[in-house]
Amino acid sequence: DVKVTQSSRYLVKRTGEKVFLECVQDMDHENMFWYRQDPGLGLRLIYFSYDVKMKEKGDIPEGYSVSREKKERFSLILESASTNQTSMYLCASSPPGRRTYSPLHFGNGTRLTVT
Amino acid sequence: AQSVTQPDIHITVSEGASLELRCNYSYGATPYLFWYVQSPGQGLQLLLKYFSGDTLVQGIKGFEAEFKRSQSSFNLRKPSVHWSDAAEYFCAVGSPSSNTGKLIFGQGTTLQVKP
Repeated sequence: DVKVTQSSRYLVKRTGEKVFLECVQDMDHENMFWYRQDPGLGLRLIYFSYDVKMKEKGDIPEGYSVSREKKERFSLILESASTNQTSMYLCASSPPGRRTYSPLHFGNGTRLTVT
Repeated sequence: AQSVTQPDIHITVSEGASLELRCNYSYGATPYLFWYVQSPGQGLQLLLKYFSGDTLVQGIKGFEAEFKRSQSSFNLRKPSVHWSDAAEYFCAVGSPSSNTGKLIFGQGTTLQVKP
């Protein structure tokens, strides 16, 4: 069965800290995504990657960066955490979408609190 | 630009009653359409999807959705709700020309089920 694992379920960090959120998938998927989920706003795309070392900005990339050195791992980085980045972060993956448009497979999320 | 609107932020229904969750989209052509469900503390799970063909699609857990091009809608329905259906539901759209699987999500509808 498809599995997307986010390394932390809950994180508490201080303002100004550098924060790493890790995501690993075991399906050999090309595409990986980081979404941010906030009440009343749904899921908003931060960054996505369609191949190793490739990345594209989503709708709200400001304050974030990403790293994809290996196919199975996609990291979200908060260079200097701020309180407005307190949120639930969801990682997802999918195979290439042109032919099958396979659905996204999501991890269980990391709830980040920045104090 | 693509967008998705779920007009109802919160819905309460009695167990055994029927359910309809609304979803409206904005897109230049017919998009790919999805409904996802998120149970408390979990990631998102795909309920059903529409790519083309029959406008009434069946999904898991007894859900169905109907694509109505004239109304730019993709409403989710279930004839008899169970207490375990209490969750947050997200409608999403994707571009048929995309090869990255990128989706745009609505704001979400929280379903509460009364005994």
